[in-house]
Amino acid sequence: GENVEQHPSTLSVQEGDSAVIKCTYSDSASNYFPWYKQELGKRPQLIIDIRSNVGEKKDQRIAVTLNKTAKHFSLHITETQPEDSAVYFCAAMNYGGSQGNLIFGKGTKLSVKP
Amino acid sequence: NAGVTQTPKFQVLKTGQSMTLQCAQDMNHEYMSWYRQDPGMGLRLIHYSVGAGITDQGEVPNGYNVSRSTTEDFPLRLLSAAPSQTSVYFCASSPGTANTGELFFGEGSRLTVL
Repeated sequence: GENVEQHPSTLSVQEGDSAVIKCTYSDSASNYFPWYKQELGKRPQLIIDIRSNVGEKKDQRIAVTLNKTAKHFSLHITETQPEDSAVYFCAAMNYGGSQGNLIFGKGTKLSVKP
Repeated sequence: NAGVTQTPKFQVLKTGQSMTLQCAQDMNHEYMSWYRQDPGMGLRLIHYSVGAGITDQGEVPNGYNVSRSTTEDFPLRLLSAAPSQTSVYFCASSPGTANTGELFFGEGSRLTVL
């Protein structure tokens, strides 16, 4: 089955700096890669996603890149703000496959220091 | 719409006791799932359902049972609780007849087994 590795487990940056979180996946059939943000004590929420037919996607200060050959994808946050502090999870799945379930990485705790 | 509603939010059990975590959604989503979240372990899939009457196992199904008698409800049962089942449990649903990858999570249920 699919296995998703996520690094780093913790990340601390100064406000205004950029943050990058990286994930690798094992199943070449995976074709959908979302990122979820979980604030302290809250539920995870989808912030951005990318499908395998796209190499990069941006939404304001966040972007995701995908390298299918290397089977890795990354989340980039620019001009970080204190409200970006949260745990971020990457995930992978075979959308449309018979086992279409999201498999999550173990999470990255991002701390943005003012 | 209330979205995904989980009850109870907090529960303390003794080893060997049984209980049911309730999950209901009012978005007419066919796909529903249960995840557990443990520190440093990310979100791990317990069971999932692609529609009423259909359930299947995820990554960590042992010790848990589910049923799906209606589209709206997807309860998770612990038949004989163990300390290893101390965790935060999230129910999630996805629009459409399969998991589109965009999961809508409930607020979570924090379970402690003594």
